Amino acid sequence: AAGVIQSPRHLIKEKRETATLKCYPIPRHDTVYWYQQGPGQDPQFLISFYEKMQSDKGSIPDRFSAQQFSDYHSELNMSSLELGDSALYFCASSAQIAGYNNEQYFGPGTRLTVT
Amino acid sequence: QKEVEQNSGPLSVPEGAIASLNCTYSDRVSQSFFWYRQYSGKSPELIMSIYSNGDKEDGRFTAQLNKASQYVSLLIRDSQPSDSATYLCAVKGSGGGADGLTFGKGTHLIIQP
Repeated sequence: AAGVIQSPRHLIKEKRETATLKCYPIPRHDTVYWYQQGPGQDPQFLISFYEKMQSDKGSIPDRFSAQQFSDYHSELNMSSLELGDSALYFCASSAQIAGYNNEQYFGPGTRLTVT
Repeated sequence: QKEVEQNSGPLSVPEGAIASLNCTYSDRVSQSFFWYRQYSGKSPELIMSIYSNGDKEDGRFTAQLNKASQYVSLLIRDSQPSDSATYLCAVKGSGGGADGLTFGKGTHLIIQP
């Protein structure tokens, strides 16, 4: 079965640079979530989108922004990168439509290293 | 502030035995509960979801929910070495369907051959 696709899988940036992470949800899923997982930490929810509108907001820094496009893919834009932004970034998707149960399925993640 | 608590372990269980993982949550209005398995450096993989009090079984896995005690558990029967991983308990509130999950810090499970 098709899964969540994330690109790139690995990204190395320097401090103060910008980065863009992409997420393509499972087909027919309309909701996308972004999570950040630091080394040895649990995933922390950043932000979610349903039908291209921001739905819920977690601990997303002001330097980060995200959006969902008409084809339901999402992009997480990260500016003024800091060393502490080095982490695994996961995208998850779910379906809100009737008959689905809103279970979130995670993509393989993007490993961001800031030097 | 929603909190999800898990014993970090490691929890060591002999192969073929039952592994029991526990989780408590602070937000009484939470409605949806999930168990994810995560191997080192990999993404969380959904194992079980449970929404109502009682037990839910799927193959070797059984999830148990007690909303009055704010307690969720996962039982793994006939444990296999491939079950060795970190198990994350996740909770979703009573808000909209697109709400983010709050995770516990995970229990590191080791299945001894």
